[in-house]
Amino acid sequence: RKEVEQDPGPFNVPEGATVAFNCTYSNSASQSFFWYRQDCRKEPKLLMSVYSSGNEDGRFTAQLNRASQYISLLIRDSKLSDSATYLCVVNAASGGSYIPTFGRGTSLIVHP
Amino acid sequence: DAGITQSPRYKITETGRQVTLMCHQTWSHSYMFWYRQDLGHGLRLIYYSAAADITDKGEVPDGYVVSRSKTENFPLTLESATRSQTSVYFCASDGRGRPTTGDTQYFGPGTRLTVL
Repeated sequence: RKEVEQDPGPFNVPEGATVAFNCTYSNSASQSFFWYRQDCRKEPKLLMSVYSSGNEDGRFTAQLNRASQYISLLIRDSKLSDSATYLCVVNAASGGSYIPTFGRGTSLIVHP
Repeated sequence: DAGITQSPRYKITETGRQVTLMCHQTWSHSYMFWYRQDLGHGLRLIYYSAAADITDKGEVPDGYVVSRSKTENFPLTLESATRSQTSVYFCASDGRGRPTTGDTQYFGPGTRLTVL
């Protein structure tokens, strides 16, 4: 079982739709959590960190559920420019350091 | 310019040749990472480094060698390239320990390597 799992999609939604992605992780000692965005195999870029209390940045809301070991990303009022792959990242302990593990990504396609 | 850079951006080589991919960051981040990205596998960690002269294996280290004699540089060497090492390679650094960046990773633009 992969340590960080995501539904690869693609999620195909119309402009203006609300879409949600989940990501599950297996290491209960995971420390920090992130969502990254990647366009057409360019470098991943941070979308947002995920905090225990949940956090919001404009149209994007991220939540963490430690008990069930998953994080989520909600995108409201989808734009064409939101089309990308969304990567879930979990930092977990490994040999004295906290090392990131990436999910395989969820593909989002927003159409007119 | 400040940031994280990789060179070369594109490389074509032949099976059995040695190839070195370069990574340079200007933030003095302590942690640096090398990933490869392949269709169906996502980003997989090859090696990481917690500081100069400290390196450790990631998920897929076989066939690769790293060094880190200076904080800002983290080269990745394929000692004898194989076709299965055809991939996109990303270098990253993170600013853990710093209040403004935490352990957010910053990625270089990637190197597209083809092994014939």
